Amino acid sequence: AQSVTQPDIHITVSEGASLELRCNYSYGATPYLFWYVQSPGQGLQLLLKYFSGDTLVQGIKGFEAEFKRSQSSFNLRKPSVHWSDAAEYFCAVGGNTGGFKTIFGAGTRLFVKA
Amino acid sequence: SQTIHQWPATLVQPVGSPLSLECTVEGTSNPNLYWYRQAAGRGLQLLFYSIGIGQISSEVPQNLSASRPQDRQFILSSKKLLLSDSGFYLCAWSVGQGSYNEQFFGPGTRLTVL
Repeated sequence: AQSVTQPDIHITVSEGASLELRCNYSYGATPYLFWYVQSPGQGLQLLLKYFSGDTLVQGIKGFEAEFKRSQSSFNLRKPSVHWSDAAEYFCAVGGNTGGFKTIFGAGTRLFVKA
Repeated sequence: SQTIHQWPATLVQPVGSPLSLECTVEGTSNPNLYWYRQAAGRGLQLLFYSIGIGQISSEVPQNLSASRPQDRQFILSSKKLLLSDSGFYLCAWSVGQGSYNEQFFGPGTRLTVL
């Protein structure tokens, strides 16, 4: 079955500290992987996406993610967190087979403390 | 450039009343359209998606319905709202014959059913 698991419901980091948000997926075909961010009361915005090629992808706002096929993971990282990064983060997987539905994880809420 | 609009932004409705939420997309043709719901503190639940005018796929059996009267218009409706219909409703669009492209989300509608 196709699924996305974000094991951490919420994470708290100090401003300036590094961040890693975990994402594991199960997908029966070549995965297309996404990270979205949602600020409170807003829609989702794409941070970055992986289709093929270099397994380390750069996104907006200083975020990056690494695709590890052997671990079925696509973890999101940022070397130094800013207070404005406090939001909810969603990992998602799609593909060019199996229809039009993108599978979203349950989300990880990031809290940033001063 | 493409934009997506949702209205209203906020809605408070009594139990048993009807509902109509509208979503329109500008700047693209024949988009795939999606309705999602977020209950408080929970992830995204796909409600409906549409790959063309009059083509609606329902993901969750419930008292909601969706329609696509025009290429870039997607409407979410209910004849009688339930308390459990409260939540944050997001419309999104994408292009392509699959789920390999990113989705672009609207600003959302906060629905409270009392």
